[in-house]
Amino acid sequence: EAQVTQNPRYLITVTGKKLTVTCSQNMNHEYMSWYRQDPGLGLRQIYYSMNVEVTDKGDVPEGYKVSRKEKRNFPLILESPSPNQTSLYFCASSSRGGPYEQYFGPGTRLTVT
Amino acid sequence: DAKTTQPPSMDCAEGRAANLPCNHSTISGNEYVYWYRQIHSQGPQYIIHGLKNNETNEMASLIITEDRKSSTLILPHATLRDTAVYYCIVRVENYGQNFVFGPGTRLSALP
Repeated sequence: EAQVTQNPRYLITVTGKKLTVTCSQNMNHEYMSWYRQDPGLGLRQIYYSMNVEVTDKGDVPEGYKVSRKEKRNFPLILESPSPNQTSLYFCASSSRGGPYEQYFGPGTRLTVT
Repeated sequence: DAKTTQPPSMDCAEGRAANLPCNHSTISGNEYVYWYRQIHSQGPQYIIHGLKNNETNEMASLIITEDRKSSTLILPHATLRDTAVYYCIVRVENYGQNFVFGPGTRLSALP
């Protein structure tokens, strides 16, 4: 089954404790992206990757890092999480070949205390 | 990308067609209309997209006006499982470009 998976699905952590949220897709998609969703603010893009070793900032990149060493994986790293990063996070992927609709993962609900 | 305007909420009776409108009066010639939906806090799900012709797939139909300034997503037989937030997005069909999700329309399918 074609899918985007994220782990963990739920995470409660404390300020400053580094964490990684993993994202993996099995569709051989070149493009991958991370979004965060907050009440009243909709989905906002954090980082995206056009292909292996190619990443770029989205609209709200501060406090986040990403890497793309393999085509299928696109982890989101919070080096020193803060309470304002409490949010619902989604990973998405799409193909280079069009029609460019994005496939989203199930989401990771992160709480930073 | 052109801005879209959608009603914040709508109700529809289960079993009836749900017609969700979207205004995009500033759409340009190379911009497509995409529809996604998000059920509760799940990841957004692609529904359909089109440029100027009407489109239909197993989930829905998309009707785009001749001047392309508005469109309607039609769910032919709404069920309780169609209760979700529906997003209309206008963007150039371009690899790698961000999708900008607005507030969408919260559709409630009622028994």
